[in-house]
Amino acid sequence: NAGVTQTPKFQVLKTGQSMTLQCAQDMNHNSMYWYRQDPGMGLRLIYYSASEGTTDKGEVPNGYNVSRLNKREFSLRLESAAPSQTSVYFCASTTDRGRAGELFFGEGSRLTVL
Amino acid sequence: QKEVEQNSGPLSVPEGAIASLNCTYSDRGSQSFFWYRQYSGKSPELIMSIYSNGDKEDGRFTAQLNKASQYVSLLIRDSQPSDSATYLCAVNNWAGGGNKLTFGTGTQLKVEL
Repeated sequence: NAGVTQTPKFQVLKTGQSMTLQCAQDMNHNSMYWYRQDPGMGLRLIYYSASEGTTDKGEVPNGYNVSRLNKREFSLRLESAAPSQTSVYFCASTTDRGRAGELFFGEGSRLTVL
Repeated sequence: QKEVEQNSGPLSVPEGAIASLNCTYSDRGSQSFFWYRQYSGKSPELIMSIYSNGDKEDGRFTAQLNKASQYVSLLIRDSQPSDSATYLCAVNNWAGGGNKLTFGTGTQLKVEL
């Protein structure tokens, strides 16, 4: 099983450029999440999607948009990248049947904004 | 006040010793609690979940939960160098629109030979 797959794994952008991080899971999970991880800040929730067709803001949503394309895919878009968005981004998914919170993470996408 | 607090460490223990990692949380309505392990440059992986007060054991790992004190801990017995990693405490809350998992900043554990 592939689990949670994120692309790209590495990306360098210039300030003002846009890009989309892709995430797909093959575990038939309803809930999907995007986190960012910065040194000393831990994992912070950007957006989450409890089910296909729904999305909600997390702790740090400014500067990001998301799309829950279908049950498998949840993308994160940076419309106009800023150096403050340099980070490692993790996509995760979980079942919402009794074991919610037991997240499966992708390998991460390391983004640098110059 | 952060919602989930951990000592950042590093916590250094000798091989074979017991490592004790602690976490406090602020939301009394929190329902479930998790410990994730993250090796440097890798993604977090779940090692323990605990849903009710008391202890839960899984191999060398024991999670302890005290909801009255809003406290979660992880004990690692017979610590091995391969246990050297950052351990993230996470707390789950139902947010109406779905489950939201809040992470602490993590405790770095170093197991020394």
